[in-house]
Amino acid sequence: DGGITQSPKYLFRKEGQNVTLSCEQNLNHDAMYWYRQDPGQGLRLIYYSQIVNDFQKGDIAEGYSVSREKKESFPLTVTSAQKNPTAFYLCASSIRLRPGRETQYFGPGTRLLVL
Amino acid sequence: AQSVTQPDIHITVSEGASLELRCNYSYGATPYLFWYVQSPGQGLQLLLKYFSGDTLVQGIKGFEAEFKRSQSSFNLRKPSVHWSDAAEYFCAVWTNTGNQFYFGTGTSLTVIP
Repeated sequence: DGGITQSPKYLFRKEGQNVTLSCEQNLNHDAMYWYRQDPGQGLRLIYYSQIVNDFQKGDIAEGYSVSREKKESFPLTVTSAQKNPTAFYLCASSIRLRPGRETQYFGPGTRLLVL
Repeated sequence: AQSVTQPDIHITVSEGASLELRCNYSYGATPYLFWYVQSPGQGLQLLLKYFSGDTLVQGIKGFEAEFKRSQSSFNLRKPSVHWSDAAEYFCAVWTNTGNQFYFGTGTSLTVIP
């Protein structure tokens, strides 16, 4: 059963703490993405990766970091530098990063809350 | 800069009534256009997409959308809404310039019996 999994479903962060959100896909997709969703603001791109060991900043990369050591995995770390991390985080993937020709498939999301 | 506008934050319709959700984009060339649906606490599911060709696009769950270049619009329609259609709907645009998707702020749909 192919798809994208994100874990955990809910994540709590304390002040000054780094937390890592997991995203795994078994669709054999080359490209993966991280979005942040806030109420009334739609989705904003944090980072994306076209291929293993390569990733690019999106519109709101400050305070976040990613890695792409394996094709199927694209974890997102929310660092202590991100002052307003409370949001719903969505991971997505597509076959490859081609201009608009590839449908993005989304995971179920992780809700991050600050204690 | 590229942008996507969904002017209706929230829409309420009666079950069985028709539906139209508006989407306007700002981009010099013809973009690639998408509509996604999101149920509460869930990821996004693709409803339909437009790349080129016939400007009326059919999607899943009985939805369709029409690309109107002159109006820079890509409105989503459904002739008869079902209670299960209640969700948040996002219009998205892919542009070569930004090489990424731009999402609208979403329209929340409530369906009343």
